Amino acid sequence: GAGVSQSPSNKVTEKGKDVELRCDPISGHTALYWYRQSLGQGLEFLIYFQGNSAPDKSGLPSDRFSAERTGGSVSTLTIQRTQQEDSAVYLCASSLGRTGFEYGYTFGSGTRLTVV
Amino acid sequence: QKEVEQNSGPLSVPEGAIASLNCTYSDRVSQSFFWYRQYSGKSPELIMSIYSNGDKEDGRFTAQLNKASQYVSLLIRDSQPSDSATYLCAVNSNSGYALNFGKGTSLLVTP
Repeated sequence: GAGVSQSPSNKVTEKGKDVELRCDPISGHTALYWYRQSLGQGLEFLIYFQGNSAPDKSGLPSDRFSAERTGGSVSTLTIQRTQQEDSAVYLCASSLGRTGFEYGYTFGSGTRLTVV
Repeated sequence: QKEVEQNSGPLSVPEGAIASLNCTYSDRVSQSFFWYRQYSGKSPELIMSIYSNGDKEDGRFTAQLNKASQYVSLLIRDSQPSDSATYLCAVNSNSGYALNFGKGTSLLVTP
């Protein structure tokens, strides 16, 4: 696609429920990242995918968070048993290079998650 | 020490003036540096990248890098009200493949 597509754009969920967030990167971009941005906070790295390599999960805050990337393209971030502190904007980004270092990232418009 | 530090602002400049945004980073071996602009309620947008010491100019934007001082800055010449946004500094992490972001500096350009 022309840009990084994320869905849904907004999600309100009850505490304890599971949620799935979807990211469709720019066609041809092999590097894919998930970040989250809480109110007044910087962007927090969550997970990185590169092609078919094992993902870098070092930023995931707890075992309630998981992500997968199918066919080297679309990615899904799953949060189980959501908590109020999970409320944030979840941003997906993709990059043309092997890492984001050569060209920087292109971000999607994000999913605003609110846990009530 | 936080890996990427920026003054939160707000930095207020009059229209037509030069806005100067600063960023320091802690990892001495970082090689890639980026400036992103984020309008309220929107996602970050890449505006500049810089990899070598010195200045890099693109239109009204100039990025400056000083690796010895671990300092990167963004100058915006002839500031416009449409430049009012939060500017995020990002630096590559040497321990992985992610960019580390500062919390951003809020810029307000007043007509």
